[in-house]
Amino acid sequence: EIVLTQSPGTLSLSPGERATLSCRASQTVSTSYIAWYHQRPGQAPRLLIYETSTRATGIPDRFRGSGSGADFTLTISRLEPEDFAVYYCQQYDSSPTTFGPGTKVEIK
Amino acid sequence: EVKLEESGGGLVKPGGSLRLSCVASGFTFSSSAMNWVRQAPGKGLEWVSSINSGGHAISYADSMKGRCTISRDNANNSLFLQMTGLTADDSAVYYCARGGGSFSYWGPGILVTVSS
Repeated sequence: EIVLTQSPGTLSLSPGERATLSCRASQTVSTSYIAWYHQRPGQAPRLLIYETSTRATGIPDRFRGSGSGADFTLTISRLEPEDFAVYYCQQYDSSPTTFGPGTKVEIK
Repeated sequence: EVKLEESGGGLVKPGGSLRLSCVASGFTFSSSAMNWVRQAPGKGLEWVSSINSGGHAISYADSMKGRCTISRDNANNSLFLQMTGLTADDSAVYYCARGGGSFSYWGPGILVTVSS
């Protein structure tokens, strides 16, 4: 199975700053089938990005996904208070689908 | 508005069984692949099982293979997960999620606790 590694484990930033989150796969994700979710405490995950770079319904354009091969990135251009959460990447290129361990974006 | 709501969780003894349900509304359930994903306390997300729209293509995580059965009732917009031989490692919040690759909508989750 494809193992996803996310870095950093924790990102401490202030509102208005730019966040760059990394997701690295143990092998090439040939179809670009990478998704990103965020999860606020006590809530279910919410889909942000699918197919590496397509924003899900209702997701603002400050969220941008990019990457190819085995290296993928989620960039949040200007952090809003509601963006402080845990972020997970997921690959659905090969079965079983797998998730990364998460990056926590916390208020500095 | 898309809604997914899980039920059937609770406290169960090791070795016990549980049947989770998920009722869907706000979209064409019968045309949607569905999934169960779980999250142990303080941990990350783990995919458990998937079923295609017609119920004929099913897959399970190795951790649950042989111990759970996913099914659906398209007439009643419902998804199920029958779990047996539960252990403490199965304690988690279980989410039902819509989608055949990425998971576009999630229910609020239901807590399953396996403890004596």
